[in-house]
Amino acid sequence: ILNVEQSPQSLHVQEGDSTNFTCSFPSSNFYALHWYRWETAKSPEALFVMTLNGDEKKKGRISATLNTKEGYSYLYIKGSQPEDSATYLCAFAGTASKLTFGTGTRLQVTL
Amino acid sequence: NAGVTQTPKFRVLKTGQSMTLLCAQDMNHEYMYWYRQDPGMGLRLIHYSVGEGTTAKGEVPDGYNVSRLKKQNFLLGLESAAPSQTSVYFCASRWDRDSETQYFGPGTRLLVL
Repeated sequence: ILNVEQSPQSLHVQEGDSTNFTCSFPSSNFYALHWYRWETAKSPEALFVMTLNGDEKKKGRISATLNTKEGYSYLYIKGSQPEDSATYLCAFAGTASKLTFGTGTRLQVTL
Repeated sequence: NAGVTQTPKFRVLKTGQSMTLLCAQDMNHEYMYWYRQDPGMGLRLIHYSVGEGTTAKGEVPDGYNVSRLKKQNFLLGLESAAPSQTSVYFCASRWDRDSETQYFGPGTRLLVL
């Protein structure tokens, strides 16, 4: 069983704060690392798919980095807004045809 | 395109009853997946399929069966429902490369009494 860990489990920030989360995954048999955004009562939506060591992806105020040698990825949110409130999931893709998800980081942004 | 759809959206079962959850996708994706989501557990893979006519076990397959008779449909069956199967079930699909993102359905909420 693959171990994909996310930290922190939950986070409460003020509007305008910048924040980051961590995803740890096995450093062997790496194929890709996915990030998803999951709002309450909706289904997960893809943010990034990262495949190469040193990858950096950006979408608006959200960015992510990847270190496959040490087995971690960071997700950053700059200037958090209330609409950023969601659970952020990472998922590890090894050589098999399936993803192993972490349990997520739940972000709450208040005014 | 409708993307990934799931039926039903909500169902209440009594212990021992059976039911089938339907997942349909119109994106011509090869790979399809069934997950369950429980509090504090994240998304756990039940079964998956890498193409029409194929199925494989995921992390938590016990108590479930699946079929992929048509490429666009992936069915999840519960032969004899148990309270432990109370959960939210998500279907997902993707193209045939591991780097491709998965697209999720809206979920089916199942309550087993």
